[in-house]
This record gives sequence, structure tokens and C-alpha cells, in this order.
Amino acid sequence: NAGVTQTPKFQVLKTGQSMTLQCAQDMNHEYMSWYRQDPGMGLRLIHYSVGAGITDQGEVPNGYNVSRSTTEDFPLRLLSAAPSQTSVYFCASSSPRGTEETQYFGPGTRLLVL
Amino acid sequence: RKEVEQDPGPFNVPEGATVAFNCTYSNSASQSFFWYRQDCRKEPKLLMSVYSSGNEDGRFTAQLNRASQYISLLIRDSKLSDSATYLCGTTDSWGKLQFGAGTQVVVTP
Repeated sequence: NAGVTQTPKFQVLKTGQSMTLQCAQDMNHEYMSWYRQDPGMGLRLIHYSVGAGITDQGEVPNGYNVSRSTTEDFPLRLLSAAPSQTSVYFCASSSPRGTEETQYFGPGTRLLVL
Repeated sequence: RKEVEQDPGPFNVPEGATVAFNCTYSNSASQSFFWYRQDCRKEPKLLMSVYSSGNEDGRFTAQLNRASQYISLLIRDSKLSDSATYLCGTTDSWGKLQFGAGTQVVVTP
């Protein structure tokens, strides 16, 4: 099992550009989520999904879109990048709905928006 | 106010000493509790789940106090390799996991 994979590892964007951060897991986990991590702020939940076709907002959803068309994939879209979105982004998955189960994290995507 | 709060530290601990720190949560409906460890620029990894009766894993002991809404982590006989940021997390009934900002521990020789 590859676990949770994220691509790209690093990305530099200009303000206003759009891009998609990819996240995939091969553990057949129902629950997937996206976090961003900024210095002193810890991990903040952006969006999460409890299964294919179901997504919901977390703590900081503005400026991001998600979809969950398959169990394996949970891409995060930045519609119009802003410098405030410079951060490290982690994708995570777990099963069943995270209760009493480890959340596995991907290695992260480091994003710089100029 | 964040749902999960932690003292950011750093806690500077001599090698071999004991260190303990807490994490408070505001959602009384929180269902599960965890401690994660995060090394610099790496992804968080589960250290241990926290059970109502308290639990121990080697040198690490976790406690849950539902009445006062906090969890704690105690590290005994600290090793240099214990230097890291420790994140506490809680889940709701949907499994939505939220984290505190982390407590930095620095173990010194």
C-alpha cells in the first residue's frame, strides 16, 4: 500500500492563478480531509468528506473547492490563488469515520503564492 | 476561540527528565482523542489514542478528563529523539478531526 499520496510536493503560483492539489489513498478509507498548516496556527481543517459524493466545509474553506467522485481521490482546488494561501497542505484519510482509527497523513504540499 | 487549545511551549527538558502538558477542548460532544507527533516539515503521525481510563505506551502516558475537558500527555525518561511538536486532536461523531496548534518539546543533552 502506498498509503496517502499527495502531488505536487512543492508549487509556486502567482496571485490569481488556479491549481489543483491532488490527494489519493489506496486503503479504501471512507473519510478524507484537507488541512493547512501555518506557523503558530497548527493544522486547520479546510474541507472534509465522509464518502464518495459527500463533502463539507471545515474551519477555513474560503478560496478552496473540493469534490469526491471516487473513494480514492480527494482533490483540493484553489480557484484564484492569493498570498494568504501560502502554506503547507496536508491530506489525511481514515476509516471508519475517524473514530478510534488512525488518521493517515500524506507527506504534504508546500505552496508559495507570490 | 479555537476548539482545541494547547500551550505552544517550547518545553525545554533535560534528557532523562519527565515532561507533561495538557490540551483543552471546548466541544463537550467530542468523541475521540489523540496525540500526534510532528517532526519539522513532516506530516503528523499518530503517537497514541487517549482512552477514558487513561493509557500508557512505554514512556508515554495519556489521560482524559471529560469533566474538565482536557487531555494530557506525560513523557518519562525523555530522549533526545522525543524532540518534536505534539499535536492533540479530537473528533466529533462524524470523525471530523480538529487539532490544537501543537506543543513544542525540546530535549537537551
